[in-house]
Amino acid sequence: GENVGLHLPTLSVQEGDNSIINCAYSNSASDYFIWYKQESGKGPQFIIDIRSNMDKRQGQRVTVLLNKTVKHLSLQIAATQPGDSAVYFCAENGGTSYGKLTFGQGTILTVHP
Amino acid sequence: DAGITQSPRHKVTETGTPVTLRCHQTENHRYMYWYRQDPGHGLRLIHYSYGVKDTDKGEVSDGYSVSRSKTEDFLLTLESATSSQTSVYFCAISDRGTGDNEQFFGPGTRLTVL
Repeated sequence: GENVGLHLPTLSVQEGDNSIINCAYSNSASDYFIWYKQESGKGPQFIIDIRSNMDKRQGQRVTVLLNKTVKHLSLQIAATQPGDSAVYFCAENGGTSYGKLTFGQGTILTVHP
Repeated sequence: DAGITQSPRHKVTETGTPVTLRCHQTENHRYMYWYRQDPGHGLRLIHYSYGVKDTDKGEVSDGYSVSRSKTEDFLLTLESATSSQTSVYFCAISDRGTGDNEQFFGPGTRLTVL
């Protein structure tokens, strides 16, 4: 959404490059993580998820890596395209039920043609 | 947007007036959530529902109430709107309430309280 870009980390890449977006999570009880993409004026869109019993999960052009030791999550986007430009959020479940999620602040990805 | 609509999409209101936002889903998902999104705070959970007439508070529930009288509709009410409730509001749904299930989001409602 608009104005969510204030004070957010930014990443600028050239079309065709690989992008890596990082996220540090805080709750060691979290055992499920999601990456969302949000384009301006739209709701967050699910990209990929990972459970804590995994270190890596791959989707179409995206890979999520999880390092539980340092509570770090990353999203890798291969061959980044201008359509990938958006704000990317990670979310963690805090080990809770009812699917309650806690979201990170987000990273702005800008892809230059 | 996974069969989720929100209404209205934009609203401007005055301080002290009641406001109701509606989330409607066609997915028959049991779990529904209301979030607000603000600069510097990201998405924060206001209230959620784990079934018809079953709701609970999230982290920023003060000043908000919700109701869920049927599976497809989840209403968020600001009893007396304040300027601090100016925000973008998102509804989300999930078909399982386990801690490892993705949520799908609606398009959002931009609310301005003058």
